[in-house]
Amino acid sequence: TQLLEQSPQFLSIQEGENLTVYCNSSSVFSSLQWYRQEPGEGPVLLVTVVTGGEVKKLKRLTFQFGDARKDSSLHITAAQPGDTGLYLCAGASGGSYIPTFGRGTSLIVHP
Amino acid sequence: AAGVIQSPRHLIKEKRETATLKCYPIPRHDTVYWYQQGPGQDPQFLISFYEKMQSDKGSIPDRFSAQQFSDYHSELNMSSLELGDSALYFCASSLVPPSGKYNEQFFGPGTRLTVL
Repeated sequence: TQLLEQSPQFLSIQEGENLTVYCNSSSVFSSLQWYRQEPGEGPVLLVTVVTGGEVKKLKRLTFQFGDARKDSSLHITAAQPGDTGLYLCAGASGGSYIPTFGRGTSLIVHP
Repeated sequence: AAGVIQSPRHLIKEKRETATLKCYPIPRHDTVYWYQQGPGQDPQFLISFYEKMQSDKGSIPDRFSAQQFSDYHSELNMSSLELGDSALYFCASSLVPPSGKYNEQFFGPGTRLTVL
């Protein structure tokens, strides 16, 4: 059983569209990270959220942490082909520094 | 800014052979983590070291071992390789934060291991 459920698993959209990716769990996380990974490369850290209800913006990317710190979302506005990649959420809980990863959302943005 | 360095980037081995993967963390980072990522899978935590001591252990097979050296670089030693060991192996590093603060891991580019 995956501790962190990500949805959708796959997303294929046209350039300029908006999209939202979800990361859900029944566990409470002390912090949650979002990463973007390109094929054959390591995950690149995008953001860390720690406070319930927190919203962080990174250019066209908006990250939200749920009030109960059990879920998070990533919204991309006006997607571009350069946004293509695997988006992974990872959460740490119970005082552990070892995060649990979701299975990821594979995003393809067509020009 | 300096990132995590891993070597080699690609490695091809035969079944039952051994392999050694190396990881050089971001300067001043004191913790190293090893992950295995199979095709279409999320990264699975193997093992971590803090200040050269093993700090956490995940799903690392008994055939694998790892250590962190005095210069903080780490090596993952894999013996009796099996076909199922073919995967991307990532190293991540972090600086353990003060109590109550969150931890951020920065990943290297990975080593792609292929076992034939």
